Amino acid sequence: GAGVSQTPSNKVTEKGKYVELRCDPISGHTALYWYRQSLGQGPEFLIYFQGTGAADDSGLPNDRFFAVRPEGSVSTLKIQRTERGDSAVYLCASSSEQGAKQYFGPGTRLTVT
Amino acid sequence: KQEVTQIPAALSVPEGENLVLNCSFTDSAIYNLQWFRQDPGKGLTSLLLIQSSQREQTSGRLNASLDKSSGRSTLYIAASQPGDSATYLCAVKTAAGNKLTFGGGTRVLVKP
Repeated sequence: GAGVSQTPSNKVTEKGKYVELRCDPISGHTALYWYRQSLGQGPEFLIYFQGTGAADDSGLPNDRFFAVRPEGSVSTLKIQRTERGDSAVYLCASSSEQGAKQYFGPGTRLTVT
Repeated sequence: KQEVTQIPAALSVPEGENLVLNCSFTDSAIYNLQWFRQDPGKGLTSLLLIQSSQREQTSGRLNASLDKSSGRSTLYIAASQPGDSATYLCAVKTAAGNKLTFGGGTRVLVKP
């Protein structure tokens, strides 16, 4: 079956702009995760959804970052007033249930100029 | 706070040699530990997942061990091939939450 998909694959934006990154999880997966990976580092946790609700948003760096999952499937990560330090690869993962193996998408490479 | 460290950060070996990749974590109260492979510009591919009650997992040429009490895991790749060149990441899931905490990765180059 289809894996986790993320769009766009690449996004270049100017400092101060607003961006939205989309994640389509594996069909039927109730848990969805967002991570951010800076160059040469391991991914860092941002937020976790169980169904429609954010069960853990402790990794969001500040209030410019927000994520939604209104119907318990597709999720959108939203970044306001982008800064150059937001440049990274944003990875999405899903799992069939809380605590199960996480399957990762290919990521969205965000570049803020 | 859980911290995960991978040493070495980079490794270069001739084809055919066995690879040994190390991962250490500070909080032994883990739920499971996962090893991933990441190719340049790509997402993560799960290789092996070890539950906290297990000592090791094997898949083909790959074997991962877990020593929870000492906070260590080792990934062994037997008879390395150039196609094994990639970055290998370990990640732990603590019993208290669902997020994965990743190490910084080991970048492996297998020379033909």
